Amino acid sequence: LAKTTQPISMDSYEGQEVNITCSHNNIATNDYITWYQQFPSQGPRFIIQGYKTKVTNEVASLFIPADRKSSTLSLPRVSLSDTAVYYCLVGDINTNAGKSTFGDGTTLTVKP
Amino acid sequence: SAVISQKPSRDICQRGTSLTIQCQVDSQVTMMFWYRQQPGQSLTLIATANQGSEATYESGFVIDKFPISRPNLTFSTLTVSNMSPEDSSIYLCSVARTGVDQPQHFGDGTRLSIL
Repeated sequence: LAKTTQPISMDSYEGQEVNITCSHNNIATNDYITWYQQFPSQGPRFIIQGYKTKVTNEVASLFIPADRKSSTLSLPRVSLSDTAVYYCLVGDINTNAGKSTFGDGTTLTVKP
Repeated sequence: SAVISQKPSRDICQRGTSLTIQCQVDSQVTMMFWYRQQPGQSLTLIATANQGSEATYESGFVIDKFPISRPNLTFSTLTVSNMSPEDSSIYLCSVARTGVDQPQHFGDGTRLSIL
């Protein structure tokens, strides 16, 4: 079971780059790493997903080292609206959803 | 990504009653899941809803308490039976398509309060 560990909370200021790291020492060969963002009273929203190296989309980058035992979500130039809980999820949802468990999440607070 | 609608968005129920939550997707999806998120907590997977067969439940969740139906590839229901205050929570539906690197997408959940 790929357990994930993230910082409970982080603070940042508008315009800064934020990096949130997730540890997943027991990641399996077939597992993907997925990050979600959740605002109050909403379901988690998909941000980015990767398997190895670096993935970038219009909102974030995901850095995964060669050993894949951790990953870092990078949010460039955050704004107040990026205040949310960020979850790292490791697993292969298509083969065993029960082993793709959500960690406790990181509460990011962006200050003006 | 798929558009997921859950009904109701919130409800207040009396203990001992049951409530059925609906999840509708705007396109066919292979996989549908039901999660519970207690106040201030992370998400916990209840079960995988299987089309045309019994759902697959995770440890700690049983069919008698959380019966699930999935009659087709775009719709599923979760019933919370014989409710108690401990069942007060947010219940979320998620979907995924088969294939490598296909992430889950979530509805906005049903906020349930039991008096």
